[in-house]
Amino acid sequence: AQKITQTQPGMFVQEKEAVTLDCTYDTSDQSYGLFWYKQPSSGEMIFLIYQGSYDEQNATEGRYSLNFQKARKSANLVISASQLGDSAMYFCAMREAGGSQGNLIFGKGTKLSVKP
Amino acid sequence: GAGVSQSPSNKVTEKGKDVELRCDPISGHTALYWYRQRLGQGLEFLIYFQGNSAPDKSGLPSDRFSAERTGESVSTLTIQRTQQEDSAVYLCASSLQRGGLSGANVLTFGAGSRLTVL
Repeated sequence: AQKITQTQPGMFVQEKEAVTLDCTYDTSDQSYGLFWYKQPSSGEMIFLIYQGSYDEQNATEGRYSLNFQKARKSANLVISASQLGDSAMYFCAMREAGGSQGNLIFGKGTKLSVKP
Repeated sequence: GAGVSQSPSNKVTEKGKDVELRCDPISGHTALYWYRQRLGQGLEFLIYFQGNSAPDKSGLPSDRFSAERTGESVSTLTIQRTQQEDSAVYLCASSLQRGGLSGANVLTFGAGSRLTVL
């Protein structure tokens, strides 16, 4: 079973509007961390936001917020006031405290296109 | 350096040749990771190093792949007898420590090395 599922291969949003990118995860660990990365066409992975499984508040970083619903095992990324520069691939990732590798497990990504 | 540096940025090689990809992590970062990203796909974990501990090689797809790291500095990923299916972007990342759940242990990625095997 996939550990990280991103069901939206591609999304379109109008400039200045908000958009939600979906991410669900599968783990039996109680302690884990969730990450979102942005990958523009240049290829570099850019860290956006982090949510710990024990964090009671949803994480926010500027225009990015993470809608964390632990019972549903979902960690959706919300981008407010979209900008043309937000057009990129977005990857959700998870790190489990009990993971044998201690590394990030990535979803397949969602391609976001912001329309002017 | 200020960021993770990878070289070469692009490499075109013929099937059967060996290639070496280099990663220079952020100074002070003890953990170093290699990932592979095929066109239009997510990231596949290959290997990571943490200080002087034995590397976790569980993601290496075959014995043609190997990697070395000297202390907490430069790492080299070597692919022997390259095949066309090895064509991908190879991403290196570093972090302060491995496996931490704190947001402080975020992986910082390099720009990647794009490998094309003809």
